[in-house]
This record gives sequence, C-alpha cells and structure tokens, in this order.
Amino acid sequence: GAGVSQTPSNKVTEKGKYVELRCDPISGHTALYWYRQSLGQGPEFLIYFQGTGAADDSGLPNDRFFAVRPEGSVSTLKIQRTERGDSAVYLCASSLGGAGSNEQFFGPGTRLTVL
Amino acid sequence: DAKTTQPPSMDCAEGRAANLPCNHSTISGNEYVYWYRQIHSQGPQYIIHGLKNNETNEMASLIITEDRKSSTLILPHATLRDTAVYYCIVSYLGNQFYFGTGTSLTVIP
Repeated sequence: GAGVSQTPSNKVTEKGKYVELRCDPISGHTALYWYRQSLGQGPEFLIYFQGTGAADDSGLPNDRFFAVRPEGSVSTLKIQRTERGDSAVYLCASSLGGAGSNEQFFGPGTRLTVL
Repeated sequence: DAKTTQPPSMDCAEGRAANLPCNHSTISGNEYVYWYRQIHSQGPQYIIHGLKNNETNEMASLIITEDRKSSTLILPHATLRDTAVYYCIVSYLGNQFYFGTGTSLTVIP
C-alpha cells in the first residue's frame, strides 16, 4: 500500500516568507509526527498528533512554527517569517497510535532551504 | 524518555555479521528499545523493537541485556545496502522519538 507522502519534496524560499509543508499519512494511522533534521544530525522531534489534536507540541522551537491536522488525516506544518536557520529536512511519520509500542513509518521528507 | 549512547561509526566486512551496540542505562521498566536506520537522503526506516526479550525478524535480531541497560542490533549477513546511519531509541509509548546522532555503519566489500 501507499506509504507516507510529503509535498513538496524541495522548497526554496526567501528569509521572512511563509511556507507550508504537507504530509499525507498512511490510511488508518491515527498518530502523526513531525521531525526536523539538520545536516549531520539525527531527526529532532517537533510535534505529535493523535487524531485531530496536538498531543505533544513540546518540540516546536518557537511560535513561528505551527501545525494542524483538521480532519485527523493530512497535516500541514506552517512556518512564519522564515529564517536561514530553519533550513533543514522536515520529516513526517505516522503510526497506528493507541496504547503500547508504535512503529513509526516515515516519509521521504521536504528539504527546506531559506535564502 | 531515556537517552542512548552509540559509537559514532563502525565498519563491517560484507557477508559478516554487524553488531551495533547501544547503551541506555537510564531506561525505565515500561520503555521499549527501537532501532531505525537512515540511508542517505531517505526517511528513517524501522528495523525492530523490543521490551525485555530478544527479538528477531527478517531484517535483524535485537539482543537486550537482562538489566535492560544496553542492547545490540545484529545484522546477520551485512550487505553493501546496509550501509546507513543506525539509530537506537528508547520510548515509552512510541510517540516522541529522540534520535541522537546514531552509528554510521559502513559495509566494506
């Protein structure tokens, strides 16, 4: 079946602009996660949704970052007033959710470059 | 969630077993150990996870010590396609994962 998809695969923007990154999780997965990965580093947790609500947004670096999942499926990560330090690969993952162990399935990521 | 410690890099000869260690001395009783790997320019790929018992699947084996303070991922017959960064993660509910910097495994022909 289809895996996690992310669009666009690459995004180049200018400092100060607004960007939206989209994630389509695996059908039936109730949990959705966003991570950010800088060059040479492991992925860094940003936010986790269970259904439509953000169950844990403790990883969002500041109030310029916001994510939504209005219907409990597709999610959008929104970054306002982008800065050069926001340049990274943004990864989305989904899982079945619920209690117990959860295998997260990752998408290919969106590479964001802020000039 | 508990932190993990992994060696930054390892080499393994093609066809031999690759044994990747991970220390997680502060793991709590209800935290699982997960292993993921990331091949260049791709998203992380799930390998295996376990709680207390050793686990095996088609990709790898996971050996967890009795005190659960460390574990080893075993790739029984490494191939060139196993060259990747391997991440050991401990997590209670499998929600927020703290990846660290992982072990860069290079399989040598």
